[in-house]
Amino acid sequence: SQQGEEDPQALSIQEGENATMNCSYKTSINNLQWYRQNSGRGLVHLILIRSNEREKHSGRLRVTLDTSKKSSSLLITASRAADTASYFCATDRGSTLGRLYFGRGTQLTVWP
Amino acid sequence: DGGITQSPKYLFRKEGQNVTLSCEQNLNHDAMYWYRQDPGQGLRLIYYSQIVNDFQKGDIAEGYSVSREKKESFPLTVTSAQKNPTAFYLCASSRDRADTQYFGPGTRLTVL
Repeated sequence: SQQGEEDPQALSIQEGENATMNCSYKTSINNLQWYRQNSGRGLVHLILIRSNEREKHSGRLRVTLDTSKKSSSLLITASRAADTASYFCATDRGSTLGRLYFGRGTQLTVWP
Repeated sequence: DGGITQSPKYLFRKEGQNVTLSCEQNLNHDAMYWYRQDPGQGLRLIYYSQIVNDFQKGDIAEGYSVSREKKESFPLTVTSAQKNPTAFYLCASSRDRADTQYFGPGTRLTVL
């Protein structure tokens, strides 16, 4: 069954705007990860945030984690057409077995 | 050049046939994973292996089989028992079960 639920399912913005995607989950976690998938390709790892962290940055990406609300957000600043992709969050459901549970993803379209 | 390779990129199967999807990594990773992705959906775990000669079922293992005879290889066989095999199959590996998963480019399987 799906663990994360990304919101919105689809997001359409202009280049230069910021894009915010959210992820909610239902169980305790050790960490939460965000991945990007271009159409028909494999997933690319973006950021891993641990349960004791509240915020992480990587270039134009900012991820926050609120374990009390069981939610995370991914912010892409100054978006580019090349950011057009599906974005997935994944959690481990508190397991140490290495399994990841993925949401259905947010389809982001950035118009030039 | 380190990474994960999957072959073939496209695969067509007739009803009743078994087919094997290849996944190879030269990252010296201990853990490997197989996921299935259906259109508009997140990834679902089929099988995973944390070490050579050991593997566990994921959420949708029925109709699939795997082997892990070598550290760098984790082939997936889609058997005739899998009633709806048309999907995009993704292989991933990680240094160990607690680490980030890195994905291959995927194999798209179509049943004719």
